[in-house]
Amino acid sequence: DAKTTQPPSMDCAEGRAANLPCNHSTISGNEYVYWYRQIHSQGPQYIIHGLKNNETNEMASLIITEDRKSSTLILPHATLRDTAVYYCIVRVAWGANSKLTFGKGITLSVRP
Amino acid sequence: NAGVTQTPKFQVLKTGQSMTLQCAQDMNHNSMYWYRQDPGMGLRLIYYSASEGTTDKGEVPNGYNVSRLNKREFSLRLESAAPSQTSVYFCASSEDTWGTDAFYEQYFGPGTRLTVT
Repeated sequence: DAKTTQPPSMDCAEGRAANLPCNHSTISGNEYVYWYRQIHSQGPQYIIHGLKNNETNEMASLIITEDRKSSTLILPHATLRDTAVYYCIVRVAWGANSKLTFGKGITLSVRP
Repeated sequence: NAGVTQTPKFQVLKTGQSMTLQCAQDMNHNSMYWYRQDPGMGLRLIYYSASEGTTDKGEVPNGYNVSRLNKREFSLRLESAAPSQTSVYFCASSEDTWGTDAFYEQYFGPGTRLTVT
């Protein structure tokens, strides 16, 4: 399975865009990139996923490089409630290996 | 629609005691999962159930057993608790249909905080 590398932490100012990077240099052609986040003491929450095209939903945007070796999750207007651990995960979409493997993630701190 | 519920929320056990963590979902999902999260760490998969009647080992299955009682419920049992099993346990479910390339997000419960002394 491909693994991901994320910096341990970052911060941003409230109202500004938060750009969370993720490296997945060994990603396979059939593996998707998923982002989940975990607000303190709660269960993880799905944010967004993509294969090779950029994706946007009501929570965030996902930018995947053309070679698919890295991606960036963008929270366009971060709020204090976005302070959380963000997990970048790669996995196949189907089959017996279709399970989520969580690393340590990146801790985002949004400051007032 | 309660989503994924877990009981109990907190539990303290002594070494060697046994207990069962309960998980239920009301979203008619096919797949259910048990994860553990140690302090400062990501989640690790213990067991999963792709569909009613099937269970498979995840990354860290030793010391645990599971039962997929029906489509709604997936329980995790510790037969002889050890201090190394002190952790937060999360149950999750998804609509995954194995063998297809459709994506279904996993929904997580609030967690059970277990301490083994």
